[in-house]
Amino acid sequence: LAKTTQPISMDSYEGQEVNITCSHNNIATNDYITWYQQFPSQGPRFIIQGYKTKVTNEVASLFIPADRKSSTLSLPRVSLSDTAVYYCLALPSGGYQKVTFGTGTKLQVIP
Amino acid sequence: GAVVSQHPSWVICKSGTSVKIECRSLDFQATTMFWYRQFPKQSLMLMATSNEGSKATYEQGVEKDKFLINHASLTLSTLTVTSAHPEDSSFYICSAVLAGVGHEQFFGPGTRLTVL
Repeated sequence: LAKTTQPISMDSYEGQEVNITCSHNNIATNDYITWYQQFPSQGPRFIIQGYKTKVTNEVASLFIPADRKSSTLSLPRVSLSDTAVYYCLALPSGGYQKVTFGTGTKLQVIP
Repeated sequence: GAVVSQHPSWVICKSGTSVKIECRSLDFQATTMFWYRQFPKQSLMLMATSNEGSKATYEQGVEKDKFLINHASLTLSTLTVTSAHPEDSSFYICSAVLAGVGHEQFFGPGTRLTVL
């Protein structure tokens, strides 16, 4: 199982772009980098997923370098409602294998 | 998108009683579901992997006789906490994998269990 490492916490002011890095040195060939957001007392919510290079959707961008040993989640112009814990996971292809959640990154958006 | 529900969303029970938590995939079939436990200010900890029609696979340290898992259909998995004790109080979350598609787990909203 690929282990992921993220900063435990980050602070950002409203309106700023936030970049959260994730290290996954032992990522497997068939693993997809997947980011989830979790609010208190709620289940994780899917944000974005990618295999390599750059992926963008309506809420975030994901940058994965060629060696795939790290990735960066980019949240443009954060708001107070983006205060949450963000988890980076290496999900095996097909999704049927178990995964290990790391500590996640607690993002605090400041007014 | 794929939706996973859990019932109940919260439950309070007396010590020694059993509690059943349901996890349903509402608009897709899930051959595999996962059960997690999350204590306050901690990350999700995988408890077991539930496969439809077969026995669940438990993680090390998780008592299979205490946390009974039944995955009787492609849309329903249940977790029963037997003889619950205060230390079992936690937030229980399930996730489901969309059969044959993609690389994503869809998570339920979680169930808050409080054992008095």
